[in-house]
Amino acid sequence: DQQVKQNSPSLSVQEGRISILNCDYTNSMFDYFLWYKKYPAEGPTFLISISSIKDKNEDGRFTVFLNKSAKHLSLHIVPSQPGDSAVYFCAATSGNTGKLIFGQGTTLQVKP
Amino acid sequence: DVKVTQSSRYLVKRTGEKVFLECVQDMDHENMFWYRQDPGLGLRLIYFSYDVKMKEKGDIPEGYSVSREKKERFSLILESASTNQTSMYLCASSPPGTGILETQYFGPGTRLLVL
Repeated sequence: DQQVKQNSPSLSVQEGRISILNCDYTNSMFDYFLWYKKYPAEGPTFLISISSIKDKNEDGRFTVFLNKSAKHLSLHIVPSQPGDSAVYFCAATSGNTGKLIFGQGTTLQVKP
Repeated sequence: DVKVTQSSRYLVKRTGEKVFLECVQDMDHENMFWYRQDPGLGLRLIYFSYDVKMKEKGDIPEGYSVSREKKERFSLILESASTNQTSMYLCASSPPGTGILETQYFGPGTRLLVL
């Protein structure tokens, strides 16, 4: 059973516009959420995270929003740049286990 | 900078072979993880380890084993490789402690093809 779901396998946006990547989860015990970015032939790299006690976290062009009641989080990239083209994974964890549960990933393409 | 290295970028093995995938991290991290990445399935946790000699099963441990004899090294073993183990294998490590525990640092991955 997929506890973390990214229902959009791919997303294409124009350079300069906003990219919105979505993630849904089912486990209400998750208390920390992360986004990772992965380029081809490289391992994923940490992008941004949010604790369940917050509803928004911002880092430069990247903002993550958390809606606990809907069990939904989203990553906003503004403005999008061609270098943002990558696969984005949403991940969640609970307690202090150190275990991350990943979504399936969304491939973002930013067109010049 | 944290560095996680994996012994091979690409491997081709035959069905039934015993396969060793090695991972080394240079940041003295306690926690190490092995994932496989498959299209449409994301990253799935195979095994992880909180310390030397310790191992815990992840979500898909069947057909795999691990070894953690030294803190910096975490090995994934395919006892008898099968074609359904063709995948991208990713190793990760993370430090202990609240707040940064969940941030994992990944190696570049090993793409394994089992014929």
